[in-house]
Amino acid sequence: QVQLQQSGAELVKPGSSVKISCKASGYTFTSYDMHWIKQQPGNGLEWIGWIYPGNGNTKYNQKFNGKATLTADKSSSTAYMQLSSLTSEDSAVYFCARSRYSGPFDYWGQGVMVTVSS
Amino acid sequence: IQLTQSPSLLSASVGDRVTLSCKGSQNINNYLAWYQQKLGEAPKLLIYNTNSLQTGIPSRFSGSGSGTDYTLTISSLQPEDVATYFCYQYNNGWTFGGGTKLELK
Repeated sequence: QVQLQQSGAELVKPGSSVKISCKASGYTFTSYDMHWIKQQPGNGLEWIGWIYPGNGNTKYNQKFNGKATLTADKSSSTAYMQLSSLTSEDSAVYFCARSRYSGPFDYWGQGVMVTVSS
Repeated sequence: IQLTQSPSLLSASVGDRVTLSCKGSQNINNYLAWYQQKLGEAPKLLIYNTNSLQTGIPSRFSGSGSGTDYTLTISSLQPEDVATYFCYQYNNGWTFGGGTKLELK
């Protein structure tokens, strides 16, 4: 069955970077887009960007240009998102989710809580 | 495209027919999905392409709409349906509505 297993919670200092992962299983990793979505406590959902692991193509929400960097490792079927120059505004739960042909997100990871605090 | 969901909070009783609304700032061309998110869990896809029921989702959930106006209906509310519901469009980029929190009366 399809699973997206994300890495564990992170506590990081302001100004630093963090890299979180999303390991895919149960499907052909290179045939689906992998999206990343941000959810702040009590707030809604915000799309960050996607990567197509088949060729490494990416697209970002303009708001996250320079903040998020998406990569994928085909050998381990793992997608990554690095967040840089972290501030308190980056404290949130981050989800990975897959889609095909820019369609709906049908499977989601369990989410990673990132807390930015000194 | 911006999505506005209403109401933001809805209280209903078990067995009630519940209707949630999602309105787009532009034509969404039926590329609209609905998600259910329970506390502490990842969102779960319920409906895609306006009215297609995702595999494994109970038939009491249904979607309808066109253009800029879309609706999620729960025909008979069950206790396990307490959650926040988000609409999401993928016609032009990807954006989410602000959510409707559904609670039991």
